[in-house]
Amino acid sequence: DAKTTQPPSMDCAEGRAANLPCNHSTISGNEYVYWYRQIHSQGPQYIIHGLKNNETNEMASLIITEDRKSSTLILPHATLRDTAVYYCIVVGWEKGGKLIFGQGTELSVKP
Amino acid sequence: KAGVTQTPRYLIKTRGQQVTLSCSPISGHRSVSWYQQTPGQGLQFLFEYFSETQRNKGNFPGRFSGRQFSNSRSEMNVSTLELGDSALYLCASSLGGGPALNNYGYTFGSGTRLTVV
Repeated sequence: DAKTTQPPSMDCAEGRAANLPCNHSTISGNEYVYWYRQIHSQGPQYIIHGLKNNETNEMASLIITEDRKSSTLILPHATLRDTAVYYCIVVGWEKGGKLIFGQGTELSVKP
Repeated sequence: KAGVTQTPRYLIKTRGQQVTLSCSPISGHRSVSWYQQTPGQGLQFLFEYFSETQRNKGNFPGRFSGRQFSNSRSEMNVSTLELGDSALYLCASSLGGGPALNNYGYTFGSGTRLTVV
């Protein structure tokens, strides 16, 4: 399973865009990049996923570099409720999609 | 639609006892995974079941086991409890067919917080 590297913590001002980076240099061609977040004491929440192309949904945008070795999750207008730990996970589905969580990035959105 | 339901929410057990946790997946989801979360080790994958068969297993001792029923509901069991088993146990469900069928990834429940004393 490909490993991911994320900064342990980041701050963001409320209303500004939060850009969370993730390195996954050993990702293989059929592995997807998934992002989840976990607000204290709750189960992780799915945010977005992608393979090669950039993706956008109602929560966030995912930008994947052309070589697929890194990606950035963008929360366009961060609110205080976006304060959480964000996990970037590489998932291969051939043998079932188990999620290998790293330490994630603790995002603090400040007023 | 109803989410992933885990019961009980909280549990206190004594060392040496055994415990069974239950997970009801989202209707139509055939894959159920279990995770353990502790402050020291973070979120760790325990095992995954798909159509009543264990498809993946993490690096946990044999005291941790699970099963899935024909209605996709799943249980996990921990025997001979140790203090270090105190954790939040999370269940997640998905369609199981990969991203082409699984646009929303895994949906997690709120977890069962187990305390071993």
